[in-house]
Amino acid sequence: QSALTQPASVSGSPGQSITISCTGTTRDVGGYDYVSWYRQDPGKAPKLMIYDVGQRPSGVSDRFFGSKSANTASLTISGLQAEDESDYYCCSYAGGATWVFGGGTKLTVL
Amino acid sequence: EVHLVESGGGLVQPGGSLRLSCEASGFIFSDHYMNWVRQAPGKGPEWVGRIRNRANSYTTTYAASVNGRFTISRDDSKNSLFLQMNSLTTEDTAVYYCARMGNGHLQYHFDHWGQGTLLTVAS
Repeated sequence: QSALTQPASVSGSPGQSITISCTGTTRDVGGYDYVSWYRQDPGKAPKLMIYDVGQRPSGVSDRFFGSKSANTASLTISGLQAEDESDYYCCSYAGGATWVFGGGTKLTVL
Repeated sequence: EVHLVESGGGLVQPGGSLRLSCEASGFIFSDHYMNWVRQAPGKGPEWVGRIRNRANSYTTTYAASVNGRFTISRDDSKNSLFLQMNSLTTEDTAVYYCARMGNGHLQYHFDHWGQGTLLTVAS
């Protein structure tokens, strides 16, 4: 199972919006609406930010928006804040009770 | 509050074995499916395997990269999850996380993670 493809880095200024893409195949992202997004600060465990493509867990800001088109999922962060700077990973169910993660995107707030 | 605490990591020689543990608290452990996810230095996470709950016969699935070498088990009486790792190679060097699978709409997602334990495989 190959890792999902994410851009290595994205950046934006405070107040702007950014989008991180996550490209898979019909066997994972395109085949199921079980895409999630995690943020991970240095030395910390990942934290769930989005699940089921576009659902937010309790406590996650509505500035975080998830979507999907065909084999590509996207995470959009609006009204960028300094505290959003982190590493972001996508994850998709891949059938047969298996999961696959993306390689990660480093978000820099300029 | 949900807490997951991994232990058992360390330095192991290639070909060796190690058993990791994860102690859970703050939720009904026996209700949830549990996973191990690892992350090699500077890389994205890699799902290792999952164990279902008693109601689903504790069935397990594994990533192809570890199938046949790693075994996940659990002891619900001790709120504990385990990962037995055999025939270790340098490719297994990573931080190993214990991750809970949610219930309901979160059943396909990892809603809580431990802080991880580092395994280094080197001679």
